[in-house]
Amino acid sequence: GQNIDQPTEMTATEGAIVQINCTYQTSGFNGLFWYQQHAGEAPTFLSYNVLDGLEEKGRFSSFLSRSKGYSYLLLKELQMKDSASYLCAVKGLTGGGNKLTFGTGTQLKVEL
Amino acid sequence: NAGVTQTPKFQVLKTGQSMTLQCAQDMNHEYMSWYRQDPGMGLRLIHYSVGAGITDQGEVPNGYNVSRSTTEDFPLRLLSAAPSQTSVYFCASTPGHSSVSYEQYFGPGTRLTVT
Repeated sequence: GQNIDQPTEMTATEGAIVQINCTYQTSGFNGLFWYQQHAGEAPTFLSYNVLDGLEEKGRFSSFLSRSKGYSYLLLKELQMKDSASYLCAVKGLTGGGNKLTFGTGTQLKVEL
Repeated sequence: NAGVTQTPKFQVLKTGQSMTLQCAQDMNHEYMSWYRQDPGMGLRLIHYSVGAGITDQGEVPNGYNVSRSTTEDFPLRLLSAAPSQTSVYFCASTPGHSSVSYEQYFGPGTRLTVT
C-alpha cells in the first residue's frame, strides 16, 4: 500500500518563499504529483517528478528524492491567490497513469 | 474542448435511493477515474479504467459500480445510498500509456448529500 504524509496547515507572507514537504512510503513507486486545489474547486496539476532532482516551472518548483521517500513543493514570490490546498500524490507501478494515492493536503494561507 | 464534465453539480438523496453520477471527457483520454473527497481524508480512489471495457477497483469501491462502454463516458452508480456516501465526487481523465503526460484533468465535482 501507500502512506503519504504532509503538514495540515501552513501560513506564509505575501512575497515570501514557502516549502511544503511530503513524505511517502510505498510498495511501488512510479512518480509523484503535486496538485493545487482552491476551496470549492477541482484540483489542478502543478508538477510531476519521476526522477530525483528539482523541476522548476515559473514560481513553482518541485523536488524528489526517491531514496528518502521525500518531496517538496517550493513556491516563490507568494501571492494572495496562492492561498489553497496543496495535494501530494503518488503513482504506483500498476493501474496506468490514473491510479494515484493522495495525501490529505496542506492548507496554505498567504497573509499580507 | 469542454474537458471533463460532470452532472449533476449538486444532489440530495434519501437513504436507500440509487442514482448515477455522469462523467464525460472530450479529449480522447484513455484513462478515467472516480475519487471522493471528504474533510481530513484527502482524495480517495473509488474505481478507475484504463480503457473502454476495462474497469478496476480503487481504495474504496464498496457501494459503487462503474462501467466504461465508450472512451468518452465513465458513469458512477450508487446502488443504495447511505449517509456515509455524503461527499464530493470528482471524475478525472489522463491521456494514456502512449502519452508522455501523466497529468490528470479533473471535472468540477458533484456534491452529494445523503439524508
